[in-house]
Amino acid sequence: DAKTTQPPSMDCAEGRAANLPCNHSTISGNEYVYWYRQIHSQGPQYIIHGLKNNETNEMASLIITEDRKSSTLILPHATLRDTAVYYCIVRPSTGTASKLTFGTGTRLQVTL
Amino acid sequence: EAQVTQNPRYLITVTGKKLTVTCSQNMNHEYMSWYRQDPGLGLRQIYYSMNVEVTDKGDVPEGYKVSRKEKRNFPLILESPSPNQTSLYFCASSWGMTVNTEAFFGQGTRLTVV
Repeated sequence: DAKTTQPPSMDCAEGRAANLPCNHSTISGNEYVYWYRQIHSQGPQYIIHGLKNNETNEMASLIITEDRKSSTLILPHATLRDTAVYYCIVRPSTGTASKLTFGTGTRLQVTL
Repeated sequence: EAQVTQNPRYLITVTGKKLTVTCSQNMNHEYMSWYRQDPGLGLRQIYYSMNVEVTDKGDVPEGYKVSRKEKRNFPLILESPSPNQTSLYFCASSWGMTVNTEAFFGQGTRLTVV
């Protein structure tokens, strides 16, 4: 499985965009990039995923570089409720594809 | 409302006393799994099930059992709990084994074994 690298923590002012980077330089061609977040000790929550194109949904945008070695999750207008640990996960497309391998993630603190 | 429900949310038990943590989903998902979360170690998969009567070990299965007699339920059984199983446990479900699916997680069960 491709390994991901994320900064351990980031701060963001409320109302500003939060840009969370993820490095996955060993990603293979058929592996997807997924983002989940965990608010306090609640169950992880799905945010978004993509293969090579940029993706957007009601929660966030995902920008994947052309070489697919890194990606950025963008929360366009962060609120205090977005304070959480954000996990970038690369999922294999074969075998135990539904297994999610969580790293240590990025702890995002949104402040007033 | 689509959800994964775990019970109990909190449990304190003594070493060796068998316990079961229940997990139920209302989305008709085929795939279900259990994770444990420990400080500094992140979430690790314990067991998973691809469908009724089909289960397999994850990364840390020792000391746990599971069963999948019905599609909606996937209980986690600790036959003889030990203090090193003190952890935060999450059940998750998704449509299947394909990559293009999101997983839904329960709210967690905080287990303390004394």
